[in-house]
Amino acid sequence: DIQMTQSPSTLSASVGDRVTITCRASENISGWLAWYQQKPGKAPRLLIYKASSLESGVPSRFSGSGSGTEFTLTISSLQPDDFATYYCQQYNSYSLTFGGGTKVEIK
Amino acid sequence: QAQLVESGGGVVQPGGSLRLSCAASRFTFTSYGIHWVRQAPGKGLEWVAFVRYDGNEKYYADSVKGRFTISRDNSRSTVYLQMNSLRTEDTALYYCAKDGVVRAIRVYSDYWGQGTLVTVSS
Repeated sequence: DIQMTQSPSTLSASVGDRVTITCRASENISGWLAWYQQKPGKAPRLLIYKASSLESGVPSRFSGSGSGTEFTLTISSLQPDDFATYYCQQYNSYSLTFGGGTKVEIK
Repeated sequence: QAQLVESGGGVVQPGGSLRLSCAASRFTFTSYGIHWVRQAPGKGLEWVAFVRYDGNEKYYADSVKGRFTISRDNSRSTVYLQMNSLRTEDTALYYCAKDGVVRAIRVYSDYWGQGTLVTVSS
């Protein structure tokens, strides 16, 4: 299986900060990567697909980049609603795999 | 917007069985694959299984292969997950999720249900 490694696992930031989360794949997945946001007690929400395509209805402060084995999710100006856990997911191989998650906390 | 509603969770002893259901609405069910994804308490997301839009292809995580079976009834817009030989490590909130691309095979998930809790305990 392809392993997905996210860093950091926890991030403390303030409203207005620019935040970057990294996701590394154990092998080349081209651009077959999605990002999700999950809040406590809620289902995940799709933010980004195909590494950099913004899902409809997702604020433009979210952006994704990367290809091959290294990817980033950037929040350009952190808003109160953005404090949550973020997961990457690869869909290049037979078995889909998620990263371990990055919790974005209030500083 | 697409809607997915899971049911069938509960408490079961190790070695037991359970069947989960995922009732879908507000989209063309016969054109989309459906995933099951689980989340153990306090842990991350784990993909479990996928069934193609027509039911003719099925994929499983190694951790459940041979124990779980995914199926769908397109006449009822429902997907099932039959779980046999359950283990304590199968304890989790089980989500069903819609594939994000029409007639695709295992891509990202654009709509998720709220989940149904499965607890495996003696």
